Amino acid sequence: QVQLQESGPGLVKPSQTLSLTCTVSGGSISSGGYYWSWIRQHPGKGLEWIGYIYYSGSTYYNPSLKSRVTISVDTSKNQFSLKLSSVTAADTAVYYCARGRTGDWFDPWGQGTLVTVSS
Amino acid sequence: QSALTQPASVSGSPGQSITISCTGTSSDVGGYNYVSWYQQHPGKAPKLMIYEVSNRPSGVPDRFSGSKSGNTASLTISGLQAEDEADYYCSSYTSSSTLVVFGGGTKLTVL
Repeated sequence: QVQLQESGPGLVKPSQTLSLTCTVSGGSISSGGYYWSWIRQHPGKGLEWIGYIYYSGSTYYNPSLKSRVTISVDTSKNQFSLKLSSVTAADTAVYYCARGRTGDWFDPWGQGTLVTVSS
Repeated sequence: QSALTQPASVSGSPGQSITISCTGTSSDVGGYNYVSWYQQHPGKAPKLMIYEVSNRPSGVPDRFSGSKSGNTASLTISGLQAEDEADYYCSSYTSSSTLVVFGGGTKLTVL
């Protein structure tokens, strides 16, 4: 079955760029039909959808983060990535990658990775 | 403040049934059948339990069911078991530019 795994630095300094990669196994991003999303969860809080990318490279971002977010895909590596610029302490969260249908469900999710923004 | 409103907590005894509500607007829950429910155990990733209001993914026990009336969706868990103790989140498609909105989450305690 499809599995997702996030990777990247767990600590980022304020004003720098957060970069994470999601590696997909057990299925191909290029097969189409699914949208590949990033979702975050602030400590002890609810979930916030960040954005998605389709295998073709088309993207859609949450307007609240759009000015700072870039999601890209590397189909040759079966990976997609998140870049969030000009981070502050408010961006400290567990970041999840997930497969889904646009505007619909998310399944499965990666295990999540905690990113702390601190100097 | 989350776009969808859920009770902060619910509780029930083993074997009982509980219902968690998720209230939105006609721009999200009430306007579309794209409501999903997720179960999250501490330190774990969310797991899809219900999609498109009332559909269960393969492997999810039929003790879990979903429904919708107007702007409120509901998740019902019957025959409560200890392992059902977790946080539950609803989500919905929204016609706003946000595309997807989540509820604030409900902590289920099995007494």
